[in-house]
Amino acid sequence: DIQMTQSPSSLSASVGDRVTITCRASQSISIYLNWYQLKPGIAPKLLIFGTTSLQSGVPSRFSGSGSGTDFTLTISSLQPEDFATYSCQQSYSIPYTFGQGTNLEIK
Amino acid sequence: QVQLQESGPGLVKPSQTLSLTCTVSGGSIRSGNYYWSWIRQHPGKGLEWIGYIYHRGNTYYNPSLKSRLNISVDTSKNQFSLLLSSVSAADTAVYYCATGVASGSYPYWGQGTLVAVSS
Repeated sequence: DIQMTQSPSSLSASVGDRVTITCRASQSISIYLNWYQLKPGIAPKLLIFGTTSLQSGVPSRFSGSGSGTDFTLTISSLQPEDFATYSCQQSYSIPYTFGQGTNLEIK
Repeated sequence: QVQLQESGPGLVKPSQTLSLTCTVSGGSIRSGNYYWSWIRQHPGKGLEWIGYIYHRGNTYYNPSLKSRLNISVDTSKNQFSLLLSSVSAADTAVYYCATGVASGSYPYWGQGTLVAVSS
């Protein structure tokens, strides 16, 4: 299985901050990397697919980059509704695997 | 817009079979392009991909669960189902059904249902 490692595991930031979350794959996954936002009691939300493609309806302050084994999710200016857990997922090979999550908290 | 809703018991006894159903609305489960999937999240942990059923009934399972797992489709009810046998406390999790059409990403999710394995 491909292991996905996110860093940091938790992060404190303020509204308006620029935030970057990193995801590293244990082997090359080309650009088959997706990002999700998770909040308790709510269906997970797809933010970015294929490393850089913004899912319909997702604000443009979210962006993704990377290829191979190293990927990043950037939120350019944090909004109050962005405080949540973020998870990466590789869809290069089965079984699909997810990172352990990054908990983004209000400073 | 595809919408998904999980249903099933919230409590299962050890060694029994966990059975969940996902009802699909806003789209046909007959569509050959969707991968109808199950994903779970153990308490305080990351997401774990369980498996999916695809075009013409082809299934793809997580090898760690394959020997206990069955995913099937009921086209007459526009539903797909998960059966996980011989459960233990390690199977306690929030179970999500999810689907998508491209590159293995999941734009559509159910709300999730908590299943506890306990006597």
